[in-house]
Amino acid sequence: SAVISQKPSRDICQRGTSLTIQCQVDSQVTMMFWYRQQPGQSLTLIATANQGSEATYESGFVIDKFPISRPNLTFSTLTVSNMSPEDSSIYLCSVDDYDGYTFGSGTRLTVV
Amino acid sequence: GENVEQHPSTLSVQEGDSAVIKCTYSDSASNYFPWYKQELGKGPQLIIDIRSNVGEKKDQRIAVTLNKTAKHFSLHITETQPEDSAVYFCAAVDFNKFYFGSGTKLNVKP
Repeated sequence: SAVISQKPSRDICQRGTSLTIQCQVDSQVTMMFWYRQQPGQSLTLIATANQGSEATYESGFVIDKFPISRPNLTFSTLTVSNMSPEDSSIYLCSVDDYDGYTFGSGTRLTVV
Repeated sequence: GENVEQHPSTLSVQEGDSAVIKCTYSDSASNYFPWYKQELGKGPQLIIDIRSNVGEKKDQRIAVTLNKTAKHFSLHITETQPEDSAVYFCAAVDFNKFYFGSGTKLNVKP
């Protein structure tokens, strides 16, 4: 299955700032997904990122808050903009490879 | 939309016993049902999955059963070990859209 490298693994950020999370895959994949996992909760899909087109956002998530880039078939970034303490979560990328859906190890974000 | 319910939310078993986690879903269009194990500080790891044209799948100590008519699927772990302690998530997938259950915290006592 695909191997995903997600950076940073964790960060502590000041409110009002932005953080960009990177997701690098060791193989070309058509679809990449970004999830949020709030403390002690399940995973919620933020958006689907396809190369060459704008990301598709789920209800409750908007591009201004969570801009996404997908410049090629192996890389994507998610930015958490104008952060508030409520954005403290684990953010995960996921890809659909031939073996199923693989998740990155996540970025644990704390906003203070 | 799809609604996935997962039970129990916590499960404590003695080492060597079996553990069963159950999920129900609402949308008959869902056709792929993976199970993920998430250890503390890590991302979810796929442990087993099943597609809608199969009723049961087994991989060593782990098995998954699917009843499409009743819209439920279950994870079975036999001969549990302390290393099995983690949070387990089920999901129902319809055309790349994942709907996750709320998770089950499994504690295997040595």
